[in-house]
Amino acid sequence: NAGVTQTPKFQVLKTGQSMTLQCAQDMNHEYMSWYRQDPGMGLRLIHYSVGAGITDQGEVPNGYNVSRSTTEDFPLRLLSAAPSQTSVYFCASSSQRLRLAGPPTDTQYFGPGTRLTVL
Amino acid sequence: DQQVKQNSPSLSVQEGRISILNCDYTNSMFDYFLWYKKYPAEGPTFLISISSIKDKNEDGRFTVFLNKSAKHLSLHIVPSQPGDSAVYFCAASPPIIGGSNYKLTFGKGTLLTVNP
Repeated sequence: NAGVTQTPKFQVLKTGQSMTLQCAQDMNHEYMSWYRQDPGMGLRLIHYSVGAGITDQGEVPNGYNVSRSTTEDFPLRLLSAAPSQTSVYFCASSSQRLRLAGPPTDTQYFGPGTRLTVL
Repeated sequence: DQQVKQNSPSLSVQEGRISILNCDYTNSMFDYFLWYKKYPAEGPTFLISISSIKDKNEDGRFTVFLNKSAKHLSLHIVPSQPGDSAVYFCAASPPIIGGSNYKLTFGKGTLLTVNP
């Protein structure tokens, strides 16, 4: 059980280049999310998905696209990289838990991150 | 507009003493709160959580207290150990009936250093 995996670990891009950050999970989780972390900032939600074929925007979605064709994979695409997208990107997944009987016992599992530099 | 605030960027504590990390929130719609721990070059890992229907949750050395009227929560670590040295993030989730915590709002984090 690998949990949440992200590739690549590091990437350097030039302004205007495109790339896809890969994220996969093997826990059969319905929910997946992408966050970015910048120095002195907390994690900010970029996009999320509640299941295959369903995605929605988070707090900072501009410049990023996502799709969810399978339960396991949730790639993040940068169509035209900008220096402002230099950041560490974290993918996370979680499973559905009902809140009716109290707080969920499960929560988001995070991948190890991708450090992206845009020159 | 920062909805989850951790006003102390760093905290230094002696081994064996108590560490208290604080977090304030402004959005009264949040009803579930979590603490994550993050080591360098790793993803955050879940530590402890609390629902708004409670004011305290304890798990071993870690206790989270919630004061809804003050919109304030704190994480207590007793006794602190050098391995606890990490960045601690406070996070909050809105009510999601039948759902999970996939839409979190994070604070900026507090770097805890526990000195031997």
